[in-house]
Amino acid sequence: NAGVMQNPRHLVRRRGQEARLRCSPMKGHSHVYWYRQLPEEGLKFMVYLQKENIIDESGMPKERFSAEFPKEGPSILRIQQVVRGDSAAYFCASSLDRGRGADTQYFGPGTRLTVL
Amino acid sequence: DQQVKQNSPSLSVQEGRISILNCDYTNSMFDYFLWYKKYPAEGPTFLISISSIKDKNEDGRFTVFLNKSAKHLSLHIVPSQPGDSAVYFCAAGGTYKYIFGTGTRLKVLA
Repeated sequence: NAGVMQNPRHLVRRRGQEARLRCSPMKGHSHVYWYRQLPEEGLKFMVYLQKENIIDESGMPKERFSAEFPKEGPSILRIQQVVRGDSAAYFCASSLDRGRGADTQYFGPGTRLTVL
Repeated sequence: DQQVKQNSPSLSVQEGRISILNCDYTNSMFDYFLWYKKYPAEGPTFLISISSIKDKNEDGRFTVFLNKSAKHLSLHIVPSQPGDSAVYFCAAGGTYKYIFGTGTRLKVLA
């Protein structure tokens, strides 16, 4: 009964380095979503992906951030040249199928990124 | 522009009593609503959902009420238990892009 897996759980980077966050969706789920939570705030949608496709990246900062969900392997959220303002908890969620209506999204435990 | 608001940042309730968590939204296009519970250092856990064609959905101790005309939903937990102490987020959307509230921290006192 594996849920959504994220690794690493904690990531420390210095300013200017790259951060790579990984997400494996629940078994059978083909839709992946990334959210960011800043301290004392709610979760903010970043990007929605299906296998090999970015469906909606309207919540992603225009620069330095990218996401992929390859045919094989986990989804990756990549942050280049990190800055202190990137420090946050990054959550991945997955859902089964958009089907005819909205789908419940199930969340992973998150990756807490700290930029020094 | 906060489209989903949880105006109470915290709530304390005695064990065994009812907990009522509230959520307001502004976008009348939202037609699917979810509640999540979150413990520190963990991801949100799905609790219960409701679509706009309903005004109530119940699952065990958890009931969600939706008032579309008021653009308001609430989560009732009865009876409240100490293990319910967590941060509760409501989320609203129409397809996949859910807008989350800022959360209400519930503390159930033994």
